[in-house]
Amino acid sequence: AQSVAQPEDQVNVAEGNPLTVKCTYSVSGNPYLFWYVQYPNRGLQFLLKYITGDNLVKGSYGFEAEFNKSQTSFHLKKPSALVSDSALYFCAVRDNTNAGKSTFGDGTTLTVKP
Amino acid sequence: DAGVIQSPRHEVTEMGQEVTLRCKPISGHDYLFWYRQTMMRGLELLIYFNNNVPIDDSGMPEDRFSAKMPNASFSTLKIQPSEPRDSAVYFCASSLGGWDQGTQYFGPGTRLLVL
Repeated sequence: AQSVAQPEDQVNVAEGNPLTVKCTYSVSGNPYLFWYVQYPNRGLQFLLKYITGDNLVKGSYGFEAEFNKSQTSFHLKKPSALVSDSALYFCAVRDNTNAGKSTFGDGTTLTVKP
Repeated sequence: DAGVIQSPRHEVTEMGQEVTLRCKPISGHDYLFWYRQTMMRGLELLIYFNNNVPIDDSGMPEDRFSAKMPNASFSTLKIQPSEPRDSAVYFCASSLGGWDQGTQYFGPGTRLLVL
């Protein structure tokens, strides 16, 4: 069965430190992988996606994610965290056909402290 | 551009009533998505359209839910009859291009409470 796991409900980092939000997935075919962010008063936003090609994907606001097929992971990273990065982050996987199913993780709350 | 517009922003209704949520996608976008977010089930994709045609409605929870896109500028998600477990935030999103090409832009959501 298709699934996404975000093993950490909460991640706390200090401003200026690197951050990682973890995501692992399970899908029968080749995956499309996505990260979304939900800010408290700004709604849901798309951050980045992996479709094919380069395993390192760069997205909005300085975020990047690395697709690791052998570990079935797609961790979200940023070299230097900002307080404004504090939000709820969702990882999602999709079977790479138009009829494929989309599955979201439960979300990870990132708190960046000054 | 005004972005994706959803109405109403908040809706409170009683069990058994019909609820209609509305979405206006970004002009020129050819894909439209409906999502639901609840504490219990998290984020779920309900249905998506390409050029006004429903492509995948496998996420629609049951027959009480229906979605239409009569033209490129408008979509509705209807719940009839509504139940308390339908209480959620419903997001609409649109993109130019599909999953592999497009970037989804989300509306502000409609917060639905069914009493």
